[in-house]
Amino acid sequence: DSGVTQTPKHLITATGQRVTLRCSPRSGDLSVYWYQQSLDQGLQFLIQYYNGEERAKGNILERFSAQQFPDLHSELNLSSLELGDSALYFCASSLGTSGGAYNEQFFGPGTRLTVL
Amino acid sequence: GQQLNQSPQSMFIQEGEDVSMNCTSSSIFNTWLWYKQDPGEGPVLLIALYKAGELTSNGRLTAQFGITRKDSFLNISASIPSDVGIYFCAGQLLGSNYQLIWGAGTKLIIKP
Repeated sequence: DSGVTQTPKHLITATGQRVTLRCSPRSGDLSVYWYQQSLDQGLQFLIQYYNGEERAKGNILERFSAQQFPDLHSELNLSSLELGDSALYFCASSLGTSGGAYNEQFFGPGTRLTVL
Repeated sequence: GQQLNQSPQSMFIQEGEDVSMNCTSSSIFNTWLWYKQDPGEGPVLLIALYKAGELTSNGRLTAQFGITRKDSFLNISASIPSDVGIYFCAGQLLGSNYQLIWGAGTKLIIKP
C-alpha cells in the first residue's frame, strides 16, 4: 500500500458527461501528480500541483482541469467526455519539488474510467 | 520535449532466465527511478538511483546509474512468474525543475 488513495476505483459514464476523480496523497507529501494511461500505453503526465499551486502541465486537454485543496487532496475534473477519454487515471504524490528522495513519486491504485 | 528511450519494448522469457532492460537519453540526468506496474494497478517504486555509477540492489533486482549520466539499466536475475508486468524508468533532468521524464515501459512476459 503506497499510502495514496484514489476514488472511485471504477467509473462508467456516457459521452458528453462530466466526472470528478479524487486523490488523497501520502501523509506529509506536498506534491500531487495526475497521469493518464490508455490501454497498453505508457504513462502520460497531465498536471502537477505543489502545496495548492499548479507547478507543471503536461499533455492535459482543455476539457480537463485539476486543483489541490488546502488539505492537500486533489481533484481531476474531466468534462465533455469522449470515447477516447476511457483510460486508467493515476494520482501520485511526492514529498516536494526538491531533488533526491523528494522527487520519488508514489502512485495510487488508479481510477478506471469507461466512457460509453 | 525531452525523451527517454526504453528498450526493449517487450520481452518473452523463460522462468529462471535473467532479464536486462535499459533507458537511454541524449540528456544528462541526476536521478533515475525504476518502477514496476502489475496489470490494473499503479506503478510501484523498485529502485532509486542518485549518483553516477551507483549500483543498487533490491532482492533479485539490480539497477545502475550510468557513468555518463545519460543511461540506466535494470537487471532481474532468475525470473519468476510474479515478475510479469510493465517496468518503467523515470529520470530527473540535471538542471530541471525536478520534473520526471518517463520511459515508454518494458513489458515482461513469461513463456508458459
